[in-house]
Amino acid sequence: KAGVTQTPRYLIKTRGQQVTLSCSPISGHRSVSWYQQTPGQGLQFLFEYFSETQRNKGNFPGRFSGRQFSNSRSEMNVSTLELGDSALYLCASSLSQGRTGELFFGEGSRLTVL
Amino acid sequence: QKEVEQDPGPLSVPEGAIVSLNCTYSNSAFQYFMWYRQYSRKGPELLMYTYSSGNKEDGRFTAQVDKSSKYISLFIRDSQPSDSATYLCAMRLNSGGYQKVTFGTGTKLQVIP
Repeated sequence: KAGVTQTPRYLIKTRGQQVTLSCSPISGHRSVSWYQQTPGQGLQFLFEYFSETQRNKGNFPGRFSGRQFSNSRSEMNVSTLELGDSALYLCASSLSQGRTGELFFGEGSRLTVL
Repeated sequence: QKEVEQDPGPLSVPEGAIVSLNCTYSNSAFQYFMWYRQYSRKGPELLMYTYSSGNKEDGRFTAQVDKSSKYISLFIRDSQPSDSATYLCAMRLNSGGYQKVTFGTGTKLQVIP
């Protein structure tokens, strides 16, 4: 069974540009969450999608947005990039929001903003 | 104050040692407690999952939850070099039909052969 796939794995952008990251969840998983990981802050929750609807959103500015498609694949977009957006962006999928709701993470997309 | 506090380490121990990793939390609404392991350049993977106060054992790993003190621990017995990774505690609550998972910042562990 394939795991969570994130693309691209590495990317370099300059300030002011925008970026789109993609996440393909495990087959059958309908919930996709996005996290930002930095050395100082750890994993910070960005947003969660379930059946194409944003169910929950973290405390990030409006430059960070996302969406989920009917096949559960998800994308997140960051516009007007800032140096502080350099981070590892992790996508996690889960089977449901039921009892366990175990999160299965991808390997992440490492974004460097110059 | 962060909802979940975790010592970032790094923690360096000799092979075979018992390792103790800890987190404290402030939100008494957290219901589920988890430990994730993250190897370098990889995503986190679930290691242990507990719901109630007490101990849960899985091989060399023991997760301990003390809800009255808002304190959770992960013990690793007979530590191996392959245990070298960053360990993240995570806590989940269900609210209004959705789940909220809050992670600690992670403790970097190095087991020296």
